[in-house]
Amino acid sequence: ETGVTQSPTHLIKTRGQQVTLRCSSQSGHNTVSWYQQALGQGPQFIFQYYREEENGRGNFPPRFSGLQFPNYSSELNVNALELDDSALYLCASSGAVDTQYFGPGTRLTVL
Amino acid sequence: DQQVKQNSPSLSVQEGRISILNCDYTNSMFDYFLWYKKYPAEGPTFLISISSIKDKNEDGRFTVFLNKSAKHLSLHIVPSQPGDSAVYFCAASLPFQGGSEKLVFGKGTKLTVNP
Repeated sequence: ETGVTQSPTHLIKTRGQQVTLRCSSQSGHNTVSWYQQALGQGPQFIFQYYREEENGRGNFPPRFSGLQFPNYSSELNVNALELDDSALYLCASSGAVDTQYFGPGTRLTVL
Repeated sequence: DQQVKQNSPSLSVQEGRISILNCDYTNSMFDYFLWYKKYPAEGPTFLISISSIKDKNEDGRFTVFLNKSAKHLSLHIVPSQPGDSAVYFCAASLPFQGGSEKLVFGKGTKLTVNP
């Protein structure tokens, strides 16, 4: 059974650019959630996808968007990057029960 | 508005002794609580969870206690081992729009277990 994987591991962008982060969910899981973790803080909920539909959203602006594919993998897209978007982005997958299992994260630096 | 609070940024214990990590919450709608362990440069690893209808759950060296009236939960690690040194996050699951559940995290407590 493979765990949650994310790519890339790190990336550096400049202000105003766009970025796409990718996540492959754990085998058998149909729900993917994305979180942003700023330095010294706990992860904050961005949104969740269930069977290719956005199922819930946190307090993030519309320039944060996502997709879920038929194989339950997912993308997080961020447009018009700002300096404050620099953070660790975490993807978590879950099945029928409440426990969410996290990937290793993507470290995004915006210059 | 910090709905989940971990008031101790750090904790240091001796190997073999008990580690107690604490967490307070404010939202009565939380229905499930989880503890995650995080090493640097890795994602959070699920450790143990407890439903809001229970007051204790045990898994090996790890026990989570829930006091709903006080809106308080704690994680006990006995005996503590150097490999337990990590940042521990308390998280609460909140039923959300569209039938989803989102996790609300505390800021974490850095545990150091000294040999």
